[in-house]
Amino acid sequence: TQLLEQSPQFLSIQEGENLTVYCNSSSVFSSLQWYRQEPGEGPVLLVTVVTGGEVKKLKRLTFQFGDARKDSSLHITAAQPGDTGLYLCAGHQGAQKLVFGQGTRLTINP
Amino acid sequence: GAGVSQTPSNKVTEKGKYVELRCDPISGHTALYWYRQSLGQGPEFLIYFQGTGAADDSGLPNDRFFAVRPEGSVSTLKIQRTERGDSAVYLCASSLGTGFRETQYFGPGTRLLVL
Repeated sequence: TQLLEQSPQFLSIQEGENLTVYCNSSSVFSSLQWYRQEPGEGPVLLVTVVTGGEVKKLKRLTFQFGDARKDSSLHITAAQPGDTGLYLCAGHQGAQKLVFGQGTRLTINP
Repeated sequence: GAGVSQTPSNKVTEKGKYVELRCDPISGHTALYWYRQSLGQGPEFLIYFQGTGAADDSGLPNDRFFAVRPEGSVSTLKIQRTERGDSAVYLCASSLGTGFRETQYFGPGTRLLVL
């Protein structure tokens, strides 16, 4: 059983479209993080959300932490081919151990 | 500056053999983590070191897996009597300190294939 469930697992859209990726759990997390992973590389941290209801923006990416701190979403506006990659959400269990979702594989077609 | 490095980048071995995977963390980082990522999955926590000691090894799947960090810098993940199910990408990460506000920096991983 996955502690963090991501949806969709695969998403292929055209350049210029908007998209939202979801990360859901039945557990409360002190923080949630979003990572992006390219083939042959390790995950790279995009953002950490800590406060319930928090919204953070990173250029065309908007991250939201649910009020109850059990879920998060990643919204991309006007997707570009460079956004292609595996997007992972992760939550801390305790102060150090990260629990990851299974990832959303995003493909942006030119 | 140099990031986290892992060697080898790829390792092919036969079932039953012993393998060692090495991680060089970012200089000065006191915390070091090992994760395993199977195909189509997110990384799965294996073990975490604070300095030289293993602070949490609850993710190690069984006693065939062992990790050391004798001088508080480089770490080695050791797998005995490898099985085909051990095939995965083994990721190492390091952070300056501990706590959820500390960023974990990941290496590129070692791709292990057990035939």
